[in-house]
Amino acid sequence: NAGVMQNPRHLVRRRGQEARLRCSPMKGHSHVYWYRQLPEEGLKFMVYLQKENIIDESGMPKERFSAEFPKEGPSILRIQQVVRGDSAAYFCASSPLEVSPEQYFGPGTRLTVT
Amino acid sequence: LAKTTQPISMDSYEGQEVNITCSHNNIATNDYITWYQQFPSQGPRFIIQGYKTKVTNEVASLFIPADRKSSTLSLPRVSLSDTAVYYCLAGYQKVTFGTGTKLQVIP
Repeated sequence: NAGVMQNPRHLVRRRGQEARLRCSPMKGHSHVYWYRQLPEEGLKFMVYLQKENIIDESGMPKERFSAEFPKEGPSILRIQQVVRGDSAAYFCASSPLEVSPEQYFGPGTRLTVT
Repeated sequence: LAKTTQPISMDSYEGQEVNITCSHNNIATNDYITWYQQFPSQGPRFIIQGYKTKVTNEVASLFIPADRKSSTLSLPRVSLSDTAVYYCLAGYQKVTFGTGTKLQVIP
């Protein structure tokens, strides 16, 4: 059973470009969470999604950021018009249930904005 | 969501037992306590979870006193490969990890 997959692992974007980060949850998992981690800091919750639904986006910046988890295919975190402050590691996690003992994390996507 | 407080860093020699304590004074009745481990450039990895008293698995033990205002992760006989950041969470998944405890195991 493959773990949580994220791609790309590293992404470089110039200021003003768009960044698309993909997350394929573990097989059988229908709950996906996105986190952002700045250097030397802990992970900060961004958004929680189930298939075709955004359940909680309280941690998402109000502008430029969006997330989706379609019926088919991976979950996408999209950042429009990136700025230097968006440079961070973005982690995706999945779980089989809403209330689950643990989350399974992917390896992360490291976004660098130049 | 309960705020957690844990030491910023700890050093330990190989082979020693390491105990990392986390305080969560305003933990809610239905909150579980979960610990994760994170290596550089990797996503966090679940270690252990408990609600009260003691939980043990093949990796660690978790001690939770009756008032549940704190918990202690115990790593038996650490090795160099246990050098990592350890996060304590009180609540469900939609939480923000704190800065964690950076454990450095020394040869």
